[in-house]
Amino acid sequence: NAGVTQTPKFQVLKTGQSMTLQCAQDMNHNSMYWYRQDPGMGLRLIYYSASEGTTDKGEVPNGYNVSRLNKREFSLRLESAAPSQTSVYFCASSEQSYARNEKLFFGSGTQLSVL
Amino acid sequence: GDSVTQMEGPVTLSEEAFLTINCTYTATGYPSLFWYVQYPGEGLQLLLKATKADDKGSNKGFEATYRKETTSFHLEKGSVQVSDSAVYFCALGGEGGAQKLVFGQGTRLTINP
Repeated sequence: NAGVTQTPKFQVLKTGQSMTLQCAQDMNHNSMYWYRQDPGMGLRLIYYSASEGTTDKGEVPNGYNVSRLNKREFSLRLESAAPSQTSVYFCASSEQSYARNEKLFFGSGTQLSVL
Repeated sequence: GDSVTQMEGPVTLSEEAFLTINCTYTATGYPSLFWYVQYPGEGLQLLLKATKADDKGSNKGFEATYRKETTSFHLEKGSVQVSDSAVYFCALGGEGGAQKLVFGQGTRLTINP
């Protein structure tokens, strides 16, 4: 059972470079999410996709774009990386997005450093 | 808006000690409450949840009771093990569903043998 798979696990960028974080889930979930985790701040939602074909902004969307490529895959793109985007990024999925008791399944994270 | 406040860490205990990690929340309506755990090098995984007042969630020896009167969801375990060393996140699911899930800042727990 792979669950939620994220690549890469580690990445170092220079300011201004671009990159795409990949995420795929094999649980046939409808909803997918991208979070960032910063020390002392918990997880903050960047973007989410409630269902295939839809994407919406979360709490901290500036500097990011996303693509829901199909039901399985949800990518996060940094067009011009900034040091403030140094963080650990988590992809997550859930069966649906509208229930308040919905369980999220997380990938193992991408540690990104922007120099 | 909705918010979650967790006990500041890090917390260091000896094996077999009693554990409490405090979590209080502010929310409108009737939220669901969760504890997620993040083991070293892994993503978060759901530890337990409670969906209404006075519910008790439990898993792997951990328990938490949804207390509406004190707006709390404290995590407890009677006898911790070295394998419980991890970061614990309290989270609140309110109006708007999973995309509105609010996480606390996390509490790092280290258990020494």
